[in-house]
Amino acid sequence: SAVISQKPSRDICQRGTSLTIQCQVDSQVTMMFWYRQQPGQSLTLIATANQGSEATYESGFVIDKFPISRPNLTFSTLTVSNMSPEDSSIYLCSVSSGNTIYFGEGSWLTVV
Amino acid sequence: DAKTTQPTSMDCAEGRAANLPCNHSTISGNEYVYWYRQIHSQGPQYIIHGLKNNETNEMASLIITEDRKSSTLILPHATLRDTAVYYCIVRVDTNAGKSTFGDGTTLTVKP
Repeated sequence: SAVISQKPSRDICQRGTSLTIQCQVDSQVTMMFWYRQQPGQSLTLIATANQGSEATYESGFVIDKFPISRPNLTFSTLTVSNMSPEDSSIYLCSVSSGNTIYFGEGSWLTVV
Repeated sequence: DAKTTQPTSMDCAEGRAANLPCNHSTISGNEYVYWYRQIHSQGPQYIIHGLKNNETNEMASLIITEDRKSSTLILPHATLRDTAVYYCIVRVDTNAGKSTFGDGTTLTVKP
């Protein structure tokens, strides 16, 4: 199994600012994933982060808005840049371990 | 990844079995069926997965039809704590991390 810690768990942010979310895993993993869950909606994959290479973004998400770092096999960050109220969401970090995917508890962001 | 169809919501009496259906008629031969649930205010939790055989673990049972076009997640004795959104996902296991989540089924367990 894998235990995932995300920081911050919650935050209220001013529009126009940027916030970096951290994801720490208790074991080394090859692939890490970032998801967004808007209020009342399902999960949407933002990007896949592999150590040593640039993140791969899904359609509708761009690096300038959601820059991702993956400095080692246990850590990743997602930055939400130039935030607007539409960015108010839960941001979830996820990893694969064996045949199973594990999720962090999410970072709840409210943009005002 | 194949698309899945699930009912929007279901109710179940506490102590009874909850049977959650999922249609995945376009599933490919190398795609697995995975089930996750998301309890309010928490991250999604893995429940079970299977390819073609029925599977059982401490949380649930997974019944996959012979043609693999549909499956049913069974919670044998539902409790109030099982109230959650349940997601059925199909994907190739080698790409296990990248998943397409549908809208899921909101299961409400009632006393």
